[in-house]
This record gives sequence, C-alpha cells and structure tokens, in this order.
Amino acid sequence: DTEVTQTPKHLVMGMTNKKSLKCEQHMGHRAMYWYKQKAKKPPELMFVYSYEKLSINESVPSRFSPECPNSSLLNLHLHALQPEDSALYLCASSRDALGRGTEAFFGQGTRLTVV
Amino acid sequence: GQQLNQSPQSMFIQEGEDVSMNCTSSSIFNTWLWYKQDPGEGPVLLIALYKAGELTSNGRLTAQFGITRKDSFLNISASIPSDVGIYFCAGNTGTASKLTFGTGTRLQVTL
Repeated sequence: DTEVTQTPKHLVMGMTNKKSLKCEQHMGHRAMYWYKQKAKKPPELMFVYSYEKLSINESVPSRFSPECPNSSLLNLHLHALQPEDSALYLCASSRDALGRGTEAFFGQGTRLTVV
Repeated sequence: GQQLNQSPQSMFIQEGEDVSMNCTSSSIFNTWLWYKQDPGEGPVLLIALYKAGELTSNGRLTAQFGITRKDSFLNISASIPSDVGIYFCAGNTGTASKLTFGTGTRLQVTL
C-alpha cells in the first residue's frame, strides 16, 4: 500500500475564509511534505515534517499554517488567502528523510481556488 | 536555488515508438526519482534510483542514474496512449529532506 489520501479534492474559498487541507498516510512513514503546484509548473516545496516536527519551511507566508497532529496526519490551515494562492496542493510522505535511500509518494492533491 | 533542466519540454510521438527524456543538474544528487502526472492528479512514482550507474526497469520503462551523478535518463519503449501525461524527474542531494523537480516533459501519443 503506497496510498496518501488528501481531502477535499476540490476547495473554493473566499479571501476572508479559514479552511484546512488534510492529508493521511498509514504506511508508517515518518516524513511528510506539503507542495504547491501552479498550472504547467513543477511542484514547489512548502513544508517538511520529520518525526512530527517541522524541519523545513521554505519561506512560506504565514497565511499558510501547517500542523502534524500525529505521525499519520498532516494538515494545512489556510487563512486570508489571495487569488494568486489558487493552485494544486500536494501532500507527500516518505519512509524516512529523503537522501537515506527512500522515495516520496504523493497524494492526488487538493485543487484550491481562492475567490 | 538548484535547478533541474529536463528535456525535451514536449514530445509528440506515434503509438509504438520509443521515447527518451533526460534531466541534468549543476549539482550532484544521490537520489533520482521519476514521476508521471496526469492532469489534476498527483505525481505517481515510476522508478527510484539510488546509485551512480544504476539501471532500473519497471515494465516498459527504464531509467538510469548517470555516472557523474548530475544526470538521469528515462526511456519508454513501445509507447501506448495511456503513456500520455507529464513526466517529472526529481532529485535529492542528501543534505536536506527535499526534492528538487525538473521542469517536466509533456508526452503526447497519437494513434
């Protein structure tokens, strides 16, 4: 089983709304990631959690707030977003930190539209 | 930041043809991953490479980890319509737990 599950699949939100994206994996992976992907571009890393601790924040604006409640779950809390934040948000997980002979598996993504 | 140059940017081929694409970097990588992404979906892992010179196959797909550790290649043999999509290479340098993605190769297969 190499499944990473993301909910919701689609989300439309206003600029004053607060919403959350959810990601779940039951592979026992200890590293989880949030990526943002704009149309016709490669995914861009936002955050990395390793053993439930935030290890990398790629200078992401504070209107994006990640949370890792336990080793299987990863959330991305959204508040006061801008229309340019509309994108496909991807969650990924890996058995251990990348670079230690492990690979990353991605979820199907959440298509976010900010209006 | 690091960049992975992937080529070609797009390919239009006929069903049954073989496909080759590659990824090059100015930095040394210790892991190369190849993904396929369909519109509106997440990337799906095709092949993982961990050693310089390694050649790995997955069905009709074959990928190689370049000897210089600065490049990788993906070949698809006897293409079929379901091979349509965007192929991304991704690499990790071993210094941090993050992937750098290539610019992508868009593959179109005609009957």
